[in-house]
Amino acid sequence: ETGVTQTPRHLVMGMTNKKSLKCEQHLGHNAMYWYKQSAKKPLELMFVYSLEERVENNSVPSRFSPECPNSSHLFLHLHTLQPEDSALYLCASSQVRWTRSSNEQFFGPGTRLTVL
Amino acid sequence: AQTVTQSQPEMSVQEAETVTLSCTYDTSESDYYLFWYKQPPSRQMILVIRQEAYKQQNATENRFSVNFQKAAKSFSLKISDSQLGDAAMYFCAYKGGNNNDMRFGAGTRLTVKP
Repeated sequence: ETGVTQTPRHLVMGMTNKKSLKCEQHLGHNAMYWYKQSAKKPLELMFVYSLEERVENNSVPSRFSPECPNSSHLFLHLHTLQPEDSALYLCASSQVRWTRSSNEQFFGPGTRLTVL
Repeated sequence: AQTVTQSQPEMSVQEAETVTLSCTYDTSESDYYLFWYKQPPSRQMILVIRQEAYKQQNATENRFSVNFQKAAKSFSLKISDSQLGDAAMYFCAYKGGNNNDMRFGAGTRLTVKP
């Protein structure tokens, strides 16, 4: 596996279900991100983990719960979601450097989530 | 907060022709980075080109080049000799020099006509 992988690629769930999205990066990066991509809207940054610590939570509802067990893996645990949570969820990683650096992000293919 | 605006929801270009996608941003920082990402249908988002704000020279990557106008806070992407494989959503993104947050525009859907 190379780059950033995400599983599952597609997920359909009911509002009472509990599911988890998984992301794995094979780039040796030290930061990982969850984004929500809805149609005709800018990507919404949900969570940032740097060196395995959460550094940002952009007022995301508690029905989304991230977990970063190590620098290569990132999870997004989902429970009691709403239909408006249906979207493409993208994972990304980057190498954070503490000097001036572009730190561009590398994206996974996304998980297409549909909440019924 | 920094905002990124892409005013063209959709664009189309004839194969082999040139197209320019617009992007403007708002920031009070002097040190930052700008990016164009490409997201083909049902495929992964990939980085097309990046520009460091402290560099005056416009970045180029093969058929892709940017027109970076720092004073005007404008960062357009020019695609020359367009190919069918260039059809995708294109996102402009901004990152401040001292943080890891990237701010994205809403995207421009590019169609390439054969």
